[in-house]
Amino acid sequence: GQQLNQSPQSMFIQEGEDVSMNCTSSSIFNTWLWYKQDPGEGPVLLIALYKAGELTSNGRLTAQFGITRKDSFLNISASIPSDVGIYFCAGRMAGNNRKLIWGLGTSLAVNP
Amino acid sequence: NAGVTQTPKFRVLKTGQSMTLLCAQDMNHEYMYWYRQDPGMGLRLIHYSVGEGTTAKGEVPDGYNVSRLKKQNFLLGLESAAPSQTSVYFCASTSEGETQYFGPGTRLLVL
Repeated sequence: GQQLNQSPQSMFIQEGEDVSMNCTSSSIFNTWLWYKQDPGEGPVLLIALYKAGELTSNGRLTAQFGITRKDSFLNISASIPSDVGIYFCAGRMAGNNRKLIWGLGTSLAVNP
Repeated sequence: NAGVTQTPKFRVLKTGQSMTLLCAQDMNHEYMYWYRQDPGMGLRLIHYSVGEGTTAKGEVPDGYNVSRLKKQNFLLGLESAAPSQTSVYFCASTSEGETQYFGPGTRLLVL
């Protein structure tokens, strides 16, 4: 099945550092979503993006919907230990509102 | 408002046994989904439903069956469990154009 290219696969950073991750696709998307999954839990939505060029923040998190509609990035500023988890991007292709296409996730570890 | 709930939370099966995983949502969502998550594989769609009485195959449907007899419930069945079906199973629900909300997961071990 189709998947998004999400990078990096994993990150190990020091507390206080900024983090950046991105997703790319060969197809055009009309929705980009960023989820976080804590250990032993289901994914939880962080940010949803619906327009090309849209830049949206949620606390220390900022995500952007790429102008080409084929990519998106997520930034986390001033990381803290509770940012640990797996971050997934997901997208909805134009003309298909019923299914999401998922990235394989970015595993984030934060050293206090 | 409980959101999306899944039962059981954890189950151990022997090869060849059958079981049903239950997903329930109280948000009046039209669409419901079953995913499995394996290390390094992300979330893979097993089956989904766009309304009561309808189901469709996802990316990895083999060995699973589903039913959506009531709008709020989506059942995932394993008729004859295999070790390859050891995984964490997530249910999600949404309505048209909205984001998917996930349940807490069911951890299944097939011996």
